[in-house]
Amino acid sequence: AQSVTQLDSQVPVFEEAPVELRCNYSSSVSVYLFWYVQYPNQGLQLLLKYLSGSTLVKGINGFEAEFNKSQTSFHLRKPSVHISDTAEYFCAVSYDYKLSFGAGTTVTVRA
Amino acid sequence: GAVVSQHPSWVICKSGTSVKIECRSLDFQATTMFWYRQFPKQSLMLMATSNEGSKATYEQGVEKDKFLINHASLTLSTLTVTSAHPEDSSFYICSAPTGALAEAFFGQGTRLTVV
Repeated sequence: AQSVTQLDSQVPVFEEAPVELRCNYSSSVSVYLFWYVQYPNQGLQLLLKYLSGSTLVKGINGFEAEFNKSQTSFHLRKPSVHISDTAEYFCAVSYDYKLSFGAGTTVTVRA
Repeated sequence: GAVVSQHPSWVICKSGTSVKIECRSLDFQATTMFWYRQFPKQSLMLMATSNEGSKATYEQGVEKDKFLINHASLTLSTLTVTSAHPEDSSFYICSAPTGALAEAFFGQGTRLTVV
């Protein structure tokens, strides 16, 4: 079985400041890793994914994440956030196309 | 890119009635689709796997007789919440894998409110 732990439930951050959202996972098999963003009352949008290869993954909207196999982590970062980045962020692991999600991290960007 | 369309985006129904939610893959065929449920301020939980031409596979604790899933074509899966009750009020989201590099695309979600 796979599981995901997002270590921060809420992250307040000032505009143009950097942000890091932490994600740890556990799995007995090789999995794929994803970060999704959800705006209020909307579906999920894929930010980025790790399948194999380079451990540093770049995604949309200036986000990037680093896969660390030894620490079973997949932390998401952005060097400078905007007000529009206010949303819910979900880390997920995929096995056989089924996704297991973390509890989510609410990012609130303040001016 | 691949698009998954979900309809309706929101619905209000009376307790005891049934509601059908559609999930369509617009520009690709999906032999498998997934249905998730998200309660307020919580994460998404997989409810069931919809398989074209065969029975759906339900996750533990999900009542198959209450949440009827039909996947009659390669582009359409439907979730019917039967005899809905207020505790069924939730955000329901479908997804469909494209087959390319393990990526699954999500529908816009359906906000169900049972009154």
